[in-house]
Amino acid sequence: DIQLTQSPSFLSASVGDRVTITCRASQGISSYLAWYQQKPGKAPKLLIYAASTLQSGVPSRFSGSGSGTEFTLTISSLQPEDFATYYCQQLNSYPPVYTFGQGTKLEIK
Amino acid sequence: QVQLVESGGGVVQPGRSLRLSCAASGFTFSSYGMHWVRQAPGKGLEWVAVISYDGSNKYYADSVKGRFTISRDNSKNTLYLQMNSLRAEDTAVYYCAKDLITMVRGVLLNTGFDYWGQGTLVTVSS
Repeated sequence: DIQLTQSPSFLSASVGDRVTITCRASQGISSYLAWYQQKPGKAPKLLIYAASTLQSGVPSRFSGSGSGTEFTLTISSLQPEDFATYYCQQLNSYPPVYTFGQGTKLEIK
Repeated sequence: QVQLVESGGGVVQPGRSLRLSCAASGFTFSSYGMHWVRQAPGKGLEWVAVISYDGSNKYYADSVKGRFTISRDNSKNTLYLQMNSLRAEDTAVYYCAKDLITMVRGVLLNTGFDYWGQGTLVTVSS
């Protein structure tokens, strides 16, 4: 099975900071990667799909890049509502096993 | 607007069974693959199972294979998860989620889960 490793697992940052989260796949997954944001007690929210396509309604300060085995999620200028946990997910394997990364918790410094 | 509403969670003893439901509205349910994803308390997301739009294809995570069964009733716009032989490690919030279908190099593919339900808590405990 394909494994996803996110780094860092915890990130402390301030409003206005630029932050980057990395997701590494154990084998190549082309661009079949999605990013989600989850706030406590809430369902995950899709931010980015196909590695770099912004989901409708998601602010443009979020961006994704990468292909193959290394991917990044960047938030260009942190807003108070962005403090949450972020997950990457791969959608490339067959038979389907839609693995998630372990998560990155973004906290206010 | 798209809505997914899970139900059926609760407290169940180890070894017993439970069936979860996910009522869908606001989109053509019979056109999309659907998933179950779970999250143990304080832990990350774990994909559980997927069913194709017409119910003909089903796939499972190794952790639930042989114990859980995903199904759907397109006439009722409802997704199900039958959970048998439950274990303490199955304790989690269970979410249903809808496929995001995108055209990629001329082929329609699932590229993410664009709508999620609010989740239903399953607690396996004696």
